[in-house]
Amino acid sequence: NAGVMQNPRHLVRRRGQEARLRCSPMKGHSHVYWYRQLPEEGLKFMVYLQKENIIDESGMPKERFSAEFPKEGPSILRIQQVVRGDSAAYFCASSPTQYEQYFGPGTRLTVT
Amino acid sequence: SQQGEEDPQALSIQEGENATMNCSYKTSINNLQWYRQNSGRGLVHLILIRSNEREKHSGRLRVTLDTSKKSSSLLITASRAADTASYFCATDVTGRRALTFGSGTRLQVQP
Repeated sequence: NAGVMQNPRHLVRRRGQEARLRCSPMKGHSHVYWYRQLPEEGLKFMVYLQKENIIDESGMPKERFSAEFPKEGPSILRIQQVVRGDSAAYFCASSPTQYEQYFGPGTRLTVT
Repeated sequence: SQQGEEDPQALSIQEGENATMNCSYKTSINNLQWYRQNSGRGLVHLILIRSNEREKHSGRLRVTLDTSKKSSSLLITASRAADTASYFCATDVTGRRALTFGSGTRLQVQP
């Protein structure tokens, strides 16, 4: 059973471009979480999704950020018109239940 | 503000010594988890302790939870250079599914 997969692992975007980050949960997991980590800090929750539904997006900026978890395919975190402050590591986690979350390797976004 | 706060922020010890890290949190929790993160890498789940448990062991790891003080500790015994990493506590807050992470303890184990 492959772990949580994220791609790309590294992404470089110029200011104003769009960034799309993908997350494939572990097989059988229908809960997906996105977190952001700034350098030297802990992870901060952004959004929690189940298949086709956003359950909790309280940690996600209201503008420029969106997330989806379609019936088929990976979960996508989309950042429009990126700014330097969006540079961070973005981690996805999945879980089958309300307990343990399994994390992917992360996508490191650099905005130049 | 952060739900979980680790203490100390950084810790440097010699190989073979024990390392103790503490975590405090603010609200009621379902469970508390500890994760390790090697520099520039993803998170590795270490151990989960439920709110009705007081102590849990896994190999060289020992976790305690005191819900009355809203605190937890992670003890790594007989540390090795490979234990060098950042360690985070994460709380699963009652009524929410998302984890709330502390700012981490950076552990350096000198060979």
